Amino acid sequence: SQQGEEDPQALSIQEGENATMNCSYKTSINNLQWYRQNSGRGLVHLILIRSNEREKHSGRLRVTLDTSKKSSSLLITASRAADTASYFCATVGGFKAAGNKLTFGGGTRVLVKP
Amino acid sequence: SQTIHQWPATLVQPVGSPLSLECTVEGTSNPNLYWYRQAAGRGLQLLFYSVGIGQISSEVPQNLSASRPQDRQFILSSKKLLLSDSGFYLCAWSVLAGETQYFGPGTRLLVL
Repeated sequence: SQQGEEDPQALSIQEGENATMNCSYKTSINNLQWYRQNSGRGLVHLILIRSNEREKHSGRLRVTLDTSKKSSSLLITASRAADTASYFCATVGGFKAAGNKLTFGGGTRVLVKP
Repeated sequence: SQTIHQWPATLVQPVGSPLSLECTVEGTSNPNLYWYRQAAGRGLQLLFYSVGIGQISSEVPQNLSASRPQDRQFILSSKKLLLSDSGFYLCAWSVLAGETQYFGPGTRLLVL
């Protein structure tokens, strides 16, 4: 079963607007990662946030983590057409039995219209 | 710098035929290696991972197998493909388990 579930499944915005997507998970985590995938390509790592962190920034990206709500959000500010892609969250379990494997959600498809 | 290669990029195979997909990593030693499958419009499903030469862990029972004959080479195989094996296959590597993974460009497999 998938640990992370993204919301919304699809998002359409105008260039220059902000895009926010959310990820919810069910069990405790060691870290949570966000990846981007352009159509037909491999995934590109964006940000890793650990369970003891609440917020991280990278360029126009801002990730928050609320472990009490078991949720994370990814904010893309001042979006560009090149941000059009699918965005995935992936969690790494907090228990040794989880084997430190990444469990991916179904993704949010973002379309940025010029 | 590290790079990861996958080939072929696209493959069309008949049902019942064998499969061999190859993944190689350059610029790093003793990486953790992973094979994922992605159905159209969906997330990634972990198929196999390897922490070292000859060490393979299977996540999903199926007619696929994986091998790691060399430190930076990871191969996904099947003796007889099924229609349900169609999908996008991604190889990835990481320095440490549970940390950032770096993905290859993927192989799109269509079984007819």
